[in-house]
Formats: sequence, C-alpha cells, structure tokens
Amino acid sequence: AQKITQTQPGMFVQEKEAVTLDCTYDTSDPSYGLFWYKQPSSGEMIFLIYQGSYDQQNATEGRYSLNFQKARKSANLVISASQLGDSAMYFCAMRERDGTSYGKLTFGQGTILTVHP
Amino acid sequence: GAGVSQSPSNKVTEKGKDVELRCDPISGHTALYWYRQSLGQGLEFLIYFQGNSAPDKSGLPSDRFSAERTGGSVSTLTIQRTQQEDSAVYLCASSLTSGPYNEQFFGPGTRLTVL
Repeated sequence: AQKITQTQPGMFVQEKEAVTLDCTYDTSDPSYGLFWYKQPSSGEMIFLIYQGSYDQQNATEGRYSLNFQKARKSANLVISASQLGDSAMYFCAMRERDGTSYGKLTFGQGTILTVHP
Repeated sequence: GAGVSQSPSNKVTEKGKDVELRCDPISGHTALYWYRQSLGQGLEFLIYFQGNSAPDKSGLPSDRFSAERTGGSVSTLTIQRTQQEDSAVYLCASSLTSGPYNEQFFGPGTRLTVL
C-alpha cells in the first residue's frame, strides 16, 4: 500500500485564487511528521510547512496552511492568493518511526501546480 | 549559514565507470540523507546517516551503491560499474536531528547521466 498518496497529477488555478493540494497518508505509528515541499523547474526542493501528529492546530506559514484531518489521515496543503511563482511540483512527505529511529522521508508522487495569470 | 551543497552539479559518465557524488550538509546537522529522483520512480530514499553511522541503508538498490560519512559532516555516495538505469538526480538532505519533527533541507542535487 502507498504510504503517501497524492491523487492530483496536475492542478490549475487562477492568479490570486486559493488552491488545495490533496494528500492522504497511511501509518500505524502514533508519532509522525507530515511535510510539504515545493520543487520549481530549477529542481531545488524547498521546505514549505510541517505538521506533527500531536499538533492540535493546523500549521500555517504565510500563504501556506495545512488542513490536517487526523481521523481521515489527510494533510492537504492550502495555498491562498496564488502567485505566478507558485507554479511548481509539490510533494507531500511523511516521517515515521523505523525501528528505533526516525529517518527517511517517504514522498508522494507529486502534484504539478500551474498558476494562470 | 550556507545551505546543503552538492558536487558535481552534473556528471556524465560511461556505462561501467565508477562515480563519486559529494554532499556537504548544513553545519551542525547530525542527520544526513541521500535520495534519488527519476522520472519513473519519483523520489526514493537511499540511505541515512546519524553522525558517521548509517542506521538505515535499506534504499540502496544494489551492492554497487555505497556511501560513507566522515567527521559527522561530508558524505560521499559511490556508484560502481554504473548502469544506464542509474541515471537520475541524486539529492542530499540534512536535518538538525533525526527526530520526526525536524524538517530536512535539500541540496541542489547532482544530475547523473550514464551513457
């Protein structure tokens, strides 16, 4: 089974509108972290936002917010007031316990976001 | 504070040759990770270091792949007898610790092309 599922291969949004990128995850570990990264065409991976499994409130970072629904195991990224520079690939990722340590990130397949002027 | 750096940025090699990819993490970061990004496979984990030891090597695709980290800092990923399927972007990341709540900061990657 996929650990991280991003069901939207591509999304389009008008400049200044809000957009939601979906992410669902699968883990039996009660302690885990969820992350969103942005990868522009230049290829760099840019950390956007993080949500811990025990966090009571949804994470926010500027125009980014994470809609965390623990019971549904979803961690959707909301980008408000889209800008042309938001056009990129977006990855959802999870970090969970592996034995006695937390190591790797497991990534979803990504969503390509295109912002139209 | 410089970010994670990787070298070379691009590497073209012939099938059967050995290559070494280098990663310089953010100063003070104890955890270091290698990932591979290719069109067909997405982002795959390869290996992670905590200090100089590698608690998880589960993602290394074959015994042609090895990695080491020295002085709790620089890491080298070595691919022996390269194959065309090794062509990918190799990404290195580091984090302050290996706990679940620490974000990983990525380097710019090394694009490896095996002819």
